Amino acid sequence: QKEVEQNSGPLSVPEGAIASLNCTYSDRGSQSFFWYRQYSGKSPELIMFIYSNGDKEDGRFTAQLNKASQYVSLLIRDSQPSDSATYLCAVPTWYNNNDMRFGAGTRLTVKP
Amino acid sequence: ETGVTQSPTHLIKTRGQQVTLRCSSQSGHNTVSWYQQALGQGPQFIFQYYREEENGRGNFPPRFSGLQFPNYSSELNVNALELDDSALYLCASSLRGHQETQYFGPGTRLLVL
Repeated sequence: QKEVEQNSGPLSVPEGAIASLNCTYSDRGSQSFFWYRQYSGKSPELIMFIYSNGDKEDGRFTAQLNKASQYVSLLIRDSQPSDSATYLCAVPTWYNNNDMRFGAGTRLTVKP
Repeated sequence: ETGVTQSPTHLIKTRGQQVTLRCSSQSGHNTVSWYQQALGQGPQFIFQYYREEENGRGNFPPRFSGLQFPNYSSELNVNALELDDSALYLCASSLRGHQETQYFGPGTRLLVL
């Protein structure tokens, strides 16, 4: 089992719809969770981070965390074509907070 | 655009050679992390430097080594290059203990022939 798993996609949604991106992790001791967006040919940029169970909202983005199920998700409301990118879930290991483990990413396409 | 810069942007080497990649961190950041990203994969943590010392290392062999300088800039050195070392190498700077401040540079794309 990979430490951080994501559906590779591609995930395609129409403009204006809600995009739902999912991530599971294996380390029960993990305390913090990060979502990065990576446009093709570019480097990752941080969108959201979440530490506590529940939802965290920032504009059109909502991160959801369920530590009991070892599951974190990212919802993008009112999806725009500019949201088309690969979304990476990242989880630092419990034994070394500097060692951040990334999933392989989910490629999202928002169609006009 | 972040304040993290990397050089060179692209590099072609042959198997067995050595390479040095450079990174300048964002102003105010004291920690630099290096990642390797193979095509179609997420970044893999190589190591992190803080106060000029290695402060955590991922599952990479000793031929991957690094330095951090007093101005917080950093180098990644890879010896005895292998074909599988072909990847995008990303540098990220942050404030120690605050992963939410991590910003990535544009990366160096290395091709090993």
